[in-house]
Amino acid sequence: NAGVTQTPKFQVLKTGQSMTLQCAQDMNHEYMSWYRQDPGMGLRLIHYSVGAGITDQGEVPNGYNVSRSTTEDFPLRLLSAAPSQTSVYFCASSYYTGNNEQFFGPGTRLTVL
Amino acid sequence: LAKTTQPISMDSYEGQEVNITCSHNNIATNDYITWYQQFPSQGPRFIIQGYKTKVTNEVASLFIPADRKSSTLSLPRVSLSDTAVYYCLVGGYGGSQGNLIFGKGTKLSVKP
Repeated sequence: NAGVTQTPKFQVLKTGQSMTLQCAQDMNHEYMSWYRQDPGMGLRLIHYSVGAGITDQGEVPNGYNVSRSTTEDFPLRLLSAAPSQTSVYFCASSYYTGNNEQFFGPGTRLTVL
Repeated sequence: LAKTTQPISMDSYEGQEVNITCSHNNIATNDYITWYQQFPSQGPRFIIQGYKTKVTNEVASLFIPADRKSSTLSLPRVSLSDTAVYYCLVGGYGGSQGNLIFGKGTKLSVKP
């Protein structure tokens, strides 16, 4: 199993551009989520999904969209990038909702100029 | 979800046992206590989880007193490779939400 994979590893955007961060897992996990981590901070939850076709907002959802058309994939879309979205983004998954053992991807480092 | 409080940083030397304590005064009845480890430029990694008393695995031990208002992660005989940030989280297990709340964690520095 590849586990949780994320692409790209690094990305530089200009203010106002849009892009999609990809996340995939091959463990047939029900629950998937996106976090952002700013320097010296813990992780903050952006959006999460408890199954295909079901998504919900986390702590900091503004400026981001998600969809979950399949169990495996959970892309995060930045609609109009802003410098405040410069961060490291982590995708995570777990066997089922409420399982606190989450598997994290390697992260995507995003810089918005 | 219960808030947690843990030291911002700790220093240790190779071969020592390290104990990181976390307080969670508002822990709910169905909350489990979970610890994660994060190395620089990597995603967090699950270390251990428990509900009460003591849990031990190949990496660490977790001690939880009867009132469950605190917990202690114990790392036996640390090495330089244990230098990382350690996060304590509390959350429901098997409930309707799988959301985890990460604080700033404890930055552990292991010196030779």
